[in-house]
Amino acid sequence: DAGVIQSPRHEVTEMGQEVTLRCKPISGHNSLFWYRQTMMRGLELLIYFNNNVPIDDSGMPEDRFSAKMPNASFSTLKIQPSEPRDSAVYFCASRPGTSGIYEQFFGPGTRLTVL
Amino acid sequence: AQSVSQHNHHVILSEAASLELGCNYSYGGTVNLFWYVQYPGQHLQLLLKYFSGDPLVKGIKGFEAEFIKSKFSFNLRKPSVQWSDTAEYFCAVRSKNNAGNMLTFGGGTRLMVKP
Repeated sequence: DAGVIQSPRHEVTEMGQEVTLRCKPISGHNSLFWYRQTMMRGLELLIYFNNNVPIDDSGMPEDRFSAKMPNASFSTLKIQPSEPRDSAVYFCASRPGTSGIYEQFFGPGTRLTVL
Repeated sequence: AQSVSQHNHHVILSEAASLELGCNYSYGGTVNLFWYVQYPGQHLQLLLKYFSGDPLVKGIKGFEAEFIKSKFSFNLRKPSVQWSDTAEYFCAVRSKNNAGNMLTFGGGTRLMVKP
């Protein structure tokens, strides 16, 4: 299995531009999580989906952030418009639906820099 | 709401020194506990986990952790660290009443091992 796949790995953009981050979870996993990691705030859960349905988006910082999961194999995190304070590493993680398995499997992350 | 505390934010050790990283959580019910490791520039990887049974859990690369319920702790240990253990370590907790099966992560501990 290729693991969780994220693209792009690096994104540099200018303030005000729209940014779309993509994630492909491990096949068969039915929970998907988006995290943001910064030096100042550490690892923050932004939103998570269960069977493609958003369950908890209380971690989404502002209306500029939105996430979708149109099907079981793809999710996007969009920031519009982007701001310099959005610069961070964004991780996607997935979890299998098997009862009793609660660990999450992380992707390589997208390093976003907003100038 | 449950919380996870990692009181050591930065730890510097020499090779062959023993390691103990603290992790305390706030939830009083049944929990599942995890330690993740993030090597420089990489994503989070599962180091070890506790679900039930023997409170002393063995993980990969010689790491172990002990669940002490009375102290709400799950400290990570390694008898002799190597330079390659330089990384950031995250403790995470899943509580049984968490219907969404989320993990709550601690703030992380950065370990630097001097050669």
